[in-house]
Amino acid sequence: DGGITQSPKYLFRKEGQNVTLSCEQNLNHDAMYWYRQDPGQGLRLIYYSQIVNDFQKGDIAEGYSVSREKKESFPLTVTSAQKNPTAFYLCASSWQGGRMPNSPLHFGNGTRLTVT
Amino acid sequence: AQSVTQLDSQVPVFEEAPVELRCNYSSSVSVYLFWYVQYPNQGLQLLLKYLSGSTLVKGINGFEAEFNKSQTSFHLRKPSVHISDTAEYFCAVSDPSGGSNYKLTFGKGTLLTVNP
Repeated sequence: DGGITQSPKYLFRKEGQNVTLSCEQNLNHDAMYWYRQDPGQGLRLIYYSQIVNDFQKGDIAEGYSVSREKKESFPLTVTSAQKNPTAFYLCASSWQGGRMPNSPLHFGNGTRLTVT
Repeated sequence: AQSVTQLDSQVPVFEEAPVELRCNYSSSVSVYLFWYVQYPNQGLQLLLKYLSGSTLVKGINGFEAEFNKSQTSFHLRKPSVHISDTAEYFCAVSDPSGGSNYKLTFGKGTLLTVNP
């Protein structure tokens, strides 16, 4: 079955360390997204990419970095510059991104990151 | 900038009772509207979407929503809920005139708890 795979499901890191969250999709979608979810805050967009080798900052990009070297992969690095990195991170994908704004998002099952 | 307000952070109901989850948005332009559901420790799944046409939209699992342009609302309803409907529900809006930038704005979520 097609879908989005996020790994690992749980991740623990010490403060000051960079950590990379994996996101892979086999839906052949053009666009991919990273959201951060905190209790009672809804979802906030970190980065998005509409095409390979191109990506844009979302609403809360500070302290994060991404790459899009392959269509199916969109890893997110949480750097030591992110002040409050502990959160639930969700990766999503869709057809054609902004050129097809009615295309629904397909989500992975998330990675819960805890930084102590 | 568009925004989404989900008026209730938590809604407890008894099994087989009807439920309405409220969503209001603020936008000066036409919008696309979505409801997503999130079960514990999972990603989000699309319940239904309004793009144009009939203001009453039917989705999966017996849910429906009504678009009311004059009240800028998109409330989600189900006539009889089941224990399995316990989840968090997110309303989201996108601007179809957004061009090459994809911006899907999410509400903060409503936790629906169905009690036996």
